Amino acid sequence: EPEVTQTPSHQVTQMGQEVILRCVPISNHLYFYWYRQILGQKVEFLVSFYNNEISEKSEIFDDQFSVERPDGSNFTLKIRSTKLEDSAMYFCASSMEGQGGQPQHFGDGTRLSIL
Amino acid sequence: GNSVTQMEGPVTLSEEAFLTINCTYTATGYPSLFWYVQYPGEGLQLLLKATKADDKGSNKGFEATYRKETTSFHLEKGSVQVSDSAVYFCALTLWDTDKLIFGTGTRLQVFP
Repeated sequence: EPEVTQTPSHQVTQMGQEVILRCVPISNHLYFYWYRQILGQKVEFLVSFYNNEISEKSEIFDDQFSVERPDGSNFTLKIRSTKLEDSAMYFCASSMEGQGGQPQHFGDGTRLSIL
Repeated sequence: GNSVTQMEGPVTLSEEAFLTINCTYTATGYPSLFWYVQYPGEGLQLLLKATKADDKGSNKGFEATYRKETTSFHLEKGSVQVSDSAVYFCALTLWDTDKLIFGTGTRLQVFP
């Protein structure tokens, strides 16, 4: 069964450094998402991406965050200047269609630790 | 606003016991409802879904029925196994948004 893959599985970064989290969505999916889960808290939506542009973003997704689909297969999340509170598990997801009930398929996540 | 409330965990059961994990929602409009499962060290896997009132989602022996009158989507399984030990997340999405809104998750521990 096709799956979403994320790399790396664990990323350790110094505060203030830039970090890029990578995802390969399912190949025939058109909608891509990033979520995060701070330890012990809810899974929170960050951003959705369709047709090479952001279609929706949350309040968390401020100017420090950006997303990109640099080629036909990868989808990346960049944090420009990391803060301690960015430490979390980051999940990438993809779906065939967007709004209204289409299931999103998740990767195994990247654990980001900011020192 | 839109939100999902799940019962606090952990839920601890013996193998072959009956499982219920409660989930209620608040939504402006008619949401689609999902259960996701997260096994240790893994990502979120879609377990089942229901997109309209009275729909029953089912998979791997788990079931949940979309109850509009009680705004609930409780997860049930008749006989749990040790391998069902995981964290279960209830989630919703609405027709006019891309995002999934998750509950806090309920940890299930099944002992032999």
